[in-house]
Amino acid sequence: QVQLVESGGGVVQPGLSLRLSCAASGFTFTTYAMHWVRQAPGKGLEWVAVIWYDGSYKYYADSVKGRFTISRDTSKNTLYLQMNSLRAEDTAVYYCARGRGYTYAKIDYWGQGTLVTVSS
Amino acid sequence: DIQMTQSPSSLSASVGDRVTITCQASQDINYYLNWYQQKPGKAPKLLIYDASKLETGVPSRFGGSGSGTDFTFTISSLQPEDIATYYCQHYDNLPTYLFGPGTKVDVK
Repeated sequence: QVQLVESGGGVVQPGLSLRLSCAASGFTFTTYAMHWVRQAPGKGLEWVAVIWYDGSYKYYADSVKGRFTISRDTSKNTLYLQMNSLRAEDTAVYYCARGRGYTYAKIDYWGQGTLVTVSS
Repeated sequence: DIQMTQSPSSLSASVGDRVTITCQASQDINYYLNWYQQKPGKAPKLLIYDASKLETGVPSRFGGSGSGTDFTFTISSLQPEDIATYYCQHYDNLPTYLFGPGTKVDVK
């Protein structure tokens, strides 16, 4: 069965960095695009970034462009999100998710999420 | 930029009721719309894709319709386990992945 397990969340001071990981299993990792989607406490869903199945394309939300970097390691079946210059407004649960179909927009499997808190 | 709105923002209905949620786009988005269910404390779940197609394994009481700017999500007979927040999501080839603000559904 498809499993996505995020890790790396925690409390970090503004301006510092954090790297999230997502271990994927139960499917052929190299044939699916992967997303990061976040949810601030008590708020709605916000798409953050996507990486194509082969890593050839990466796209970001304007709110994180230039600060966050999405990557994947096919040898480890792992997705990453490097988050730099963190701000209070980046505080959220971060979900790793699999995308399929046209522009990989059908996000059909999600991890349980990892909480990132940016606070001094 | 395209904006997505949902209405109502919340609703309360009785078990067995028909529930309807609308999602409106600020411009024509064809059928590029998905619907997700998020139960409290859980990750979202894909229910409907391409505006009207039921995801595999999703109960048939869930449905979607619409194209262009106006879309509807329906629960034909509300069940207690349907307590959740429902989100529409627009997508395109830019790519754009834009979630609506959500509709919280409670059971009376």
